[in-house]
Order: sequence, then C-alpha cells, then structure tokens
Amino acid sequence: ETGVTQTPRHLVMGMTNKKSLKCEQHLGHNAMYWYKQSAKKPLELMFVYSLEERVENNSVPSRFSPECPNSSHLFLHLHTLQPEDSALYLCASSQSAGATGETQYFGPGTRLLVL
Amino acid sequence: AQSVAQPEDQVNVAEGNPLTVKCTYSVSGNPYLFWYVQYPNRGLQFLLKYITGDNLVKGSYGFEAEFNKSQTSFHLKKPSALVSDSALYFCAVKGVRGSTLGRLYFGRGTQLTVWP
Repeated sequence: ETGVTQTPRHLVMGMTNKKSLKCEQHLGHNAMYWYKQSAKKPLELMFVYSLEERVENNSVPSRFSPECPNSSHLFLHLHTLQPEDSALYLCASSQSAGATGETQYFGPGTRLLVL
Repeated sequence: AQSVAQPEDQVNVAEGNPLTVKCTYSVSGNPYLFWYVQYPNRGLQFLLKYITGDNLVKGSYGFEAEFNKSQTSFHLKKPSALVSDSALYFCAVKGVRGSTLGRLYFGRGTQLTVWP
C-alpha cells in the first residue's frame, strides 16, 4: 500500500447520473493530483491541488469538478458524463507540487464505466 | 518541452534472463526521471528515480536504471527476471521550469511479459 486510498474502486454510471470519487492520503503531503488513464493513451494530468488550492486545470471539461476540502482529501465530482469518459481515474499525492525531486505516490484508482 | 518516449510497447523475456525496458527523454535542463510499475487493476507503484549523483540507480524489487546523459536515456534493468515482474512499466520526467515545474510527463508504457 502506498498510503493513498481511493473509493470506490469500481463505478458504473449512466450519463445523467451524479457521482463522486474520493481520494485520501495518509502521508502528510501537501499536494494532490487527479489523473485519467485511458487505454492506449499516456496518463493525462487533470487537476493539481497544493495546500488545498487548485494550481492547475488542464482544460478538463466542466462535467468534472474537483474539490479539496483539506490537504488529506480530494474529490472528483462527476455529472452528465460521456461514454468516452470511461477510464481509470488515479489520485496521487506528493510533499509539494513544485519541487522536482519529489515522488508522487498513487492510489489504486477508480475504474469508471459510463453507459 | 518535456517528454519521454518508450519505444517498445511490449517486451517479452524468459524467467531468469536479464530484462531491459527502454526510455529516452527530452527536457530543458537537468532531468529528474522516474520509473513506475502498474499491475493489473492497480495504481502506479514507484520503483526508482534519478535526481542527481550516481548514474546507476537502484530501486524496489531488484530493479535498477542507468542514466545516460549523452544518449538521453534512462533504461530500466533487472539482472534476472521473474514471472511476477510481468506488468506495465512507465517512465516519467519532471518538468523543471516555468509552468511545467514539478509536473510529471509519462511515456505510453511498456508491457513486460516474463514467461516461465
């Protein structure tokens, strides 16, 4: 275990549903990340939070809405998703967002299927 | 711009043989390089990283990687492969300046299969 947990591990939702993904880190880190992993594509960085403030949003559609209530928790709120949003969503954390030598530690991911 | 390339989608080796998973990078300035492994239905696990110093970096599970500045490479190696090493391996480089500072850029991954 890496000290980063994600729930749920699997999620099936319709295009009109609203759901949330949760991530929690037990490492005392100050930065948290959401990535999207689709088949045959490189990992895509979606959002970066540093000290609970969003510092990066990589042109992600508004149907994805992140929330970081404190430095240990990160949510990804989902609404009116499309089938092409089906993917593995990975959460990661690191001590800080800007330092180059630090390691990002990943959670196990949430496998999302949008019908 | 920062980027990494993993030229092989798949690598197949026999158990007990040495393995190499290739990675080349492009970055402005000194590179910070990482290797991660992903087992089926799992997240990415950190294996090792190169920040500075010795060009040969040792990591988890007997893996090591050699940083070669002249060839801009950071190949992952293991002297004797195990069937349990079969997984998807990702190379990544950190952005080192400006808006890319601290951001990880991943390769597409290499599927390693070790057969008995």
